[in-house]
Amino acid sequence: EVQLVESGGGLIQPGGSLRLSCAASGFTVYNNYMAWVRQAPGKGLEWVSFIYAGLTTYYADSVKGRFTISRDNSKNTLYLQMDSLRAEDTAVYFCARAHRRSQWERSYYFDYWGQGIPVTVSS
Amino acid sequence: SYVLTQPPSVSVAPGKTATITCGGDNIGSKSVHWCQQKPGQAPVLVIYYDSDRPSGIPERFSGSNSGNTATLIINRVEAGDEADYYCQVWDYNNDHPVFGTGTKLTVL
Repeated sequence: EVQLVESGGGLIQPGGSLRLSCAASGFTVYNNYMAWVRQAPGKGLEWVSFIYAGLTTYYADSVKGRFTISRDNSKNTLYLQMDSLRAEDTAVYFCARAHRRSQWERSYYFDYWGQGIPVTVSS
Repeated sequence: SYVLTQPPSVSVAPGKTATITCGGDNIGSKSVHWCQQKPGQAPVLVIYYDSDRPSGIPERFSGSNSGNTATLIINRVEAGDEADYYCQVWDYNNDHPVFGTGTKLTVL
């Protein structure tokens, strides 16, 4: 059974740092495309970052230079290091697996999601 | 950046058909995926590649995509279908996902 379990969220002051973790089971993160998606209170889904199987990383403009996505293959875990946090980063953060039905497809969809972890940036 | 526009809300009586649209420039040339999110829960994929259904999703859920509009159709709506629905595409130019603005489905 595929599971994604996030941890590491909480209340942090503006300018502070947090590291989110997403422990995967039922598949290996190193050969899958993994993403972080967030949802601010009462708002829609917003893509934050993703990492390709070959370690290529992408970031939304809103977090570029402040957030770093990474993974530990030995622990089958995805991470999101969040630095210089701002009030507007307050959200529930989900990790998700991005999948495509064949190597010839250019479009990915999110087939598995974690339960989400809240992050609140406030003084 | 590519923009996907959804109606903020759709209301439907039980047993009727709900239609949720997702508008985007020439969206018919892209693959559209849909997810359902109930309050306090993670999103769940309900339609991928315009009209495919993951295992476990009822046949009442279907999708189509043409021109500038993709559509999620839910037949014989049940109270348990009440949720937020998001469309999603892949922005090929910038190589990242794009989510729609979301639609709250209310079952009357």
